[in-house]
Amino acid sequence: EAGVTQFPSHSVIEKGQTVTLRCDPISGHDNLYWYRRVMGKEIKFLLHFVKESKQDESGMPNNRFLAERTGGTYSTLKVQPAELEDSGVYFCASSLRLPTVDHEQFFGPGTRLTVL
Amino acid sequence: SQQGEEDPQALSIQEGENATMNCSYKTSINNLQWYRQNSGRGLVHLILIRSNEREKHSGRLRVTLDTSKKSSSLLITASRAADTASYFCATDAYHTDGSSNTGKLIFGQGTTLQVKP
Repeated sequence: EAGVTQFPSHSVIEKGQTVTLRCDPISGHDNLYWYRRVMGKEIKFLLHFVKESKQDESGMPNNRFLAERTGGTYSTLKVQPAELEDSGVYFCASSLRLPTVDHEQFFGPGTRLTVL
Repeated sequence: SQQGEEDPQALSIQEGENATMNCSYKTSINNLQWYRQNSGRGLVHLILIRSNEREKHSGRLRVTLDTSKKSSSLLITASRAADTASYFCATDAYHTDGSSNTGKLIFGQGTTLQVKP
């Protein structure tokens, strides 16, 4: 079974440019999460999809970030325009079970974003 | 405020020694999980311990949970160079009405473990 995949693995862009990150969850996983780790700090939750619906987007830092999951399969996270403080590693995770029971989230390898 | 703060932030030991990492959290939890991140790679789930459990083992890993102190520890016995990684604890988060957990995980800053061969 293929795990969670993310693309690209590394992106270097200039301030003001746009970047789109992609996440392909494990097939059949309705729950998809985005997290990020900036400047060696803790990993922080960004948002949670259940199928194509945004269940919780309380962690999205501002309106420069837009996440979509059309069709309930893969998800994209667009940053427009990118700022220096957006640099970090963006992780995607998916899980099969609903959050009301114990569930393991399977993480992808992450996308390292560098904004110059 | 942070949930899931790890202690120590960095740990360096010799191969064969045991490594102990601690994690503290602030709110009620349903479960606590430990993850590992090798350099440049994703997070790997290590172990989950429920709030009604006190100790759990998985191979060379031993996790304890003390809900009265809101703390957990991860012990890696007979460490190997391949155990070199960052280790994170993560707790689930409840809805504000306490009805159920939200699904999102709250991570600490992690402990960076270096095991020297």
